[in-house]
Amino acid sequence: ETGVTQTPRHLVMGMTNKKSLKCEQHLGHNAMYWYKQSAKKPLELMFVYNFKEQTENNSVPSRFSPECPNSSHLFLHLHTLQPEDSALYLCASSQVRRRGQETQYFGPGTRLLVL
Amino acid sequence: AQTVTQSQPEMSVQEAETVTLSCTYDTSESDYYLFWYKQPPSRQMILVIRQEAYKQQNATENRFSVNFQKAAKSFSLKISDSQLGDAAMYFCAYSGNTPLVFGKGTRLSVIA
Repeated sequence: ETGVTQTPRHLVMGMTNKKSLKCEQHLGHNAMYWYKQSAKKPLELMFVYNFKEQTENNSVPSRFSPECPNSSHLFLHLHTLQPEDSALYLCASSQVRRRGQETQYFGPGTRLLVL
Repeated sequence: AQTVTQSQPEMSVQEAETVTLSCTYDTSESDYYLFWYKQPPSRQMILVIRQEAYKQQNATENRFSVNFQKAAKSFSLKISDSQLGDAAMYFCAYSGNTPLVFGKGTRLSVIA
């Protein structure tokens, strides 16, 4: 599936580095999401953007900084991360018409390792 | 808050056989969607099937079907004629007035 793409697919960074994850959706959707998936933990919603406006921030540490310049692109800027931030970061998009009636489509994820 | 429970951390099935994965959820809402997502070793989260709560008819997608029991708040996934490519983590998810809520997943192994 190429509806939602993510780059890079793998990233290794030191705790003092600054890097960015990119997500792009080609489905004409109006909402985008960042999720974190750690080993043996449920999928955790991090951020939600509706029509480029952030509508959810689930108590995510400030070392994660999202950016949504338009409804097709979503970034996650990373700085001074900790080893426990190592995880799979998934991006998703959906067409929101009414709450409870949206289907999210996911990208392939970026596997992040923080050394 | 809505919760989604998958009580089977792991399941296995013989190739060509049928397997059912369980999911229950808790909500006070009447209008919502339910989903099953598949996550193979490639880690891509793939939508398998969707059920609208207002529809009484169970959703079906080829070899995948659900048993949706709204009153019991149960949403199980049946995979018929299991194939080796069905081996994956399967996540049940709920979409209501909050963004998607996922269960912890069931790891399905397919035995040749």
